[in-house]
Amino acid sequence: GQNIDQPTEMTATEGAIVQINCTYQTSGFNGLFWYQQHAGEAPTFLSYNVLDGLEEKGRFSSFLSRSKGYSYLLLKELQMKDSASYLCAASGSARQLTFGSGTQLTVLP
Amino acid sequence: DAMVIQNPRYQVTQFGKPVTLSCSQTLNHNVMYWYQQKSSQAPKLLFHYYDKDFNNEADTPDNFQSRRPNTSFCFLDIRSPGLGDAAMYLCATSPGSQVDQPQHFGDGTRLSIL
Repeated sequence: GQNIDQPTEMTATEGAIVQINCTYQTSGFNGLFWYQQHAGEAPTFLSYNVLDGLEEKGRFSSFLSRSKGYSYLLLKELQMKDSASYLCAASGSARQLTFGSGTQLTVLP
Repeated sequence: DAMVIQNPRYQVTQFGKPVTLSCSQTLNHNVMYWYQQKSSQAPKLLFHYYDKDFNNEADTPDNFQSRRPNTSFCFLDIRSPGLGDAAMYLCATSPGSQVDQPQHFGDGTRLSIL
């Protein structure tokens, strides 16, 4: 079976750093995706982790621990436009993706 | 730009009246997916096509069907929509050959049932 947990909501201040956690329990795990979804829009790809450790991409970084079934997305220097839902998704194969319910991030001025 | 296009963005239908949602892609990807997403919930995979090979999820209601007449187009048919089928429907594509290839999503069709 597949089970992915992430917080429902988070709030942070413009310019700050926020960490969005995700835990997963899946069969046949290959890697972990993070997507950003603004209200009423499609999810857009942010990052993919297959090996343990931190992957940095500009203001966004993503971490994976396979042994702990744990990932996080780190957003630095928050901007108002970062207010969105952040979806954690576990890849079970080249065609199988299981999404979490998303963490709604609100960035306050 | 290569992309995934869904039409229409907003669709209103009546209870029980069949409706078809469309998706096209210029990415030439092998795999096309249909997801249903309700407010504040995860996208739920309904089915996907790998080329012409149709893969239905076990819990997808029989009311939902799909067609892929060629590589570029895929349709979602809802035979008798109920109030519970009101949702955002997302189409996505991927090459399907490697696990690190992300899915590319269209902007979605928001379906309302009257």
